[in-house]
Amino acid sequence: SQQGEEDPQALSIQEGENATMNCSYKTSINNLQWYRQNSGRGLVHLILIRSNEREKHSGRLRVTLDTSKKSSSLLITASRAADTASYFCATVPSNTGKLIFGQGTTLQVKP
Amino acid sequence: NAGVTQTPKFQVLKTGQSMTLQCAQDMNHEYMSWYRQDPGMGLRLIHYSVGAGITDQGEVPNGYNVSRSTTEDFPLRLLSAAPSQTSVYFCASRPGWQTDTQYFGPGTRLTVL
Repeated sequence: SQQGEEDPQALSIQEGENATMNCSYKTSINNLQWYRQNSGRGLVHLILIRSNEREKHSGRLRVTLDTSKKSSSLLITASRAADTASYFCATVPSNTGKLIFGQGTTLQVKP
Repeated sequence: NAGVTQTPKFQVLKTGQSMTLQCAQDMNHEYMSWYRQDPGMGLRLIHYSVGAGITDQGEVPNGYNVSRSTTEDFPLRLLSAAPSQTSVYFCASRPGWQTDTQYFGPGTRLTVL
């Protein structure tokens, strides 16, 4: 079974609203990463948060990590139509170099 | 830099045929990996390599072989294609074993009839 599970599976919002996606994982980790995939394209790295960090920001992105609950959230503020994509969390389990992905959240931002 | 390149972009095979998906990177990255992406399943790790001459299995290695004779290249071989291997395949690389950002290729869409 996959390491990460994301919630919700699909999200539809209006431009300007905030979008929140959640990720839960099963084992202890070195770090957790978020990626974006536009339809039919490869994945693009968005942000990484290490196991000893609780929150990280990058532009309109805010990521939190709660290792006690084995969960993370990605917040996109002031969303734009161009943010429409699938978003994946991925974890590097402790003592491994493997990057294991969740199933993803599909975000639609309506103009 | 071209980044991570994959060939071909599309491929149709018949059951039982063999083929090799090519992956190359020009960033001198030590770590390379192959994923498959099926609808609703996210990406699943097939095989990975932490350096030339070293490969290991990921989550779904059955039916696939890999080798890493050079730092730049990491081909994925399907010895006897099956319809269950119909998927989109992504190659990725990153500088080191536990280094941060992973870079993805554009993908190969494979259909097995």
